[in-house]
Amino acid sequence: RKEVEQDPGPFNVPEGATVAFNCTYSNSASQSFFWYRQDCRKEPKLLMSVYSSGNEDGRFTAQLNRASQYISLLIRDSKLSDSATYLCVVNREGAAGNKLTFGGGTRVLVKP
Amino acid sequence: NAGVTQTPKFQVLKTGQSMTLQCAQDMNHEYMSWYRQDPGMGLRLIHYSVGAGITDQGEVPNGYNVSRSTTEDFPLRLLSAAPSQTSVYFCASSRPGQGNSPLHFGNGTRLTVT
Repeated sequence: RKEVEQDPGPFNVPEGATVAFNCTYSNSASQSFFWYRQDCRKEPKLLMSVYSSGNEDGRFTAQLNRASQYISLLIRDSKLSDSATYLCVVNREGAAGNKLTFGGGTRVLVKP
Repeated sequence: NAGVTQTPKFQVLKTGQSMTLQCAQDMNHEYMSWYRQDPGMGLRLIHYSVGAGITDQGEVPNGYNVSRSTTEDFPLRLLSAAPSQTSVYFCASSRPGQGNSPLHFGNGTRLTVT
């Protein structure tokens, strides 16, 4: 089983609709969580950190469920420019330092 | 600030050739790392460094060497290229305590080994 798993999609979303997807992680010692966005043939860029109480950044809402070991990302009022691959990143601190593990990404396609 | 600069953007190698992928950052970040990205696999850590003179192996280090003689530079060397090393390579950096600091990525190097 992969340490961080995501539904690869694609999620086909009508413009203006809401889309949500999850990321599951297997190591309960994981401590911090992030969503990165990656456009086609570009480098990943940080979208938002995920806090225990959940957090919002504009149209984006991230939530963490430690009991079930998943994080989620919800995008409201989808724009064409939201089309991208969303990477879940999980951090675990260990004796050798921090270990960041990336999920395989969830592809979102927003269509007019 | 240029951020994280990677060169070259594209490279084609023959099996057995060696080469160095360059990475430089001007943000005074102590943490630097190399990832490879393959379809359906996510980004996998090759090597990383928590400061000048310190390097360590990541998840998939075989076939690659790194060095960190300065804070700014973190080159990745392919010793004897193999077709399995065909991938997109990203260099990334962050501040100390990188667990809660965002990673800044370079533009990537697309490597094909024939």
